[in-house]
Amino acid sequence: DVVMTQSPLSLPVTLGQPASISCRSSHSLVGSDGITHLTWFQQRPGQSPRRLIYQVSNRDSGVPDRFSGSGSGTYFTLKISRVEAEDVGVYYCLQGLYWPTFGGGTKVEIK
Amino acid sequence: EVYLVESGGGLVQPGGSLRLSCVASGLTFNTRYWSWVRQPPGGGLEWVAIIYPNAKTYYRDSVKGRFTISRDNSENTIYLQMNSLRPDDTSLYYCASDVVSNDVDYWGRGTLVTVSS
Repeated sequence: DVVMTQSPLSLPVTLGQPASISCRSSHSLVGSDGITHLTWFQQRPGQSPRRLIYQVSNRDSGVPDRFSGSGSGTYFTLKISRVEAEDVGVYYCLQGLYWPTFGGGTKVEIK
Repeated sequence: EVYLVESGGGLVQPGGSLRLSCVASGLTFNTRYWSWVRQPPGGGLEWVAIIYPNAKTYYRDSVKGRFTISRDNSENTIYLQMNSLRPDDTSLYYCASDVVSNDVDYWGRGTLVTVSS
């Protein structure tokens, strides 16, 4: 299986400050279609996951523009420009080029 | 509004069987890819099975030969038949869907499966 490695495991952030989560894949996620199959999800406490970003950098409808995704090949980043209280939760990356595998998750909490 | 509602979870002994269901509304069922994704208590996410619009199916290695995913387009429902259950199958099982394979734009709320004697 393709291994997705996220860092950090835990990310304490001050309200209003930026946050950055990394996701590294053991294989390139660029498909023969030229699409990079990397997705980001947010899972708030007690809730189902919610998709934030697909194909590296495309924000889903209703996702605040303080969330942004970037990267290429095997290295990807999710950034929150100014963390708000509602952003607390666990963030997962997913690769969908091979059998789908998730990163281990990054827990964002308020300092 | 899109709704995915799972049911069928519960407590089962090792070696037992369960059948999970997911009823969908508010979206075009027939053309979508449907999956089951699970999350053990306090753990991360794990893709279990996927069924394509043409009914082709794929499974993670650890459930091959034990789990079967199916779909009923007339009832807007997907199923996961789980046999020979093991304690490490204990998880919250989410129904998930997208218009492309291997991604999810809609999730259900999950149904809890506990395998224990």
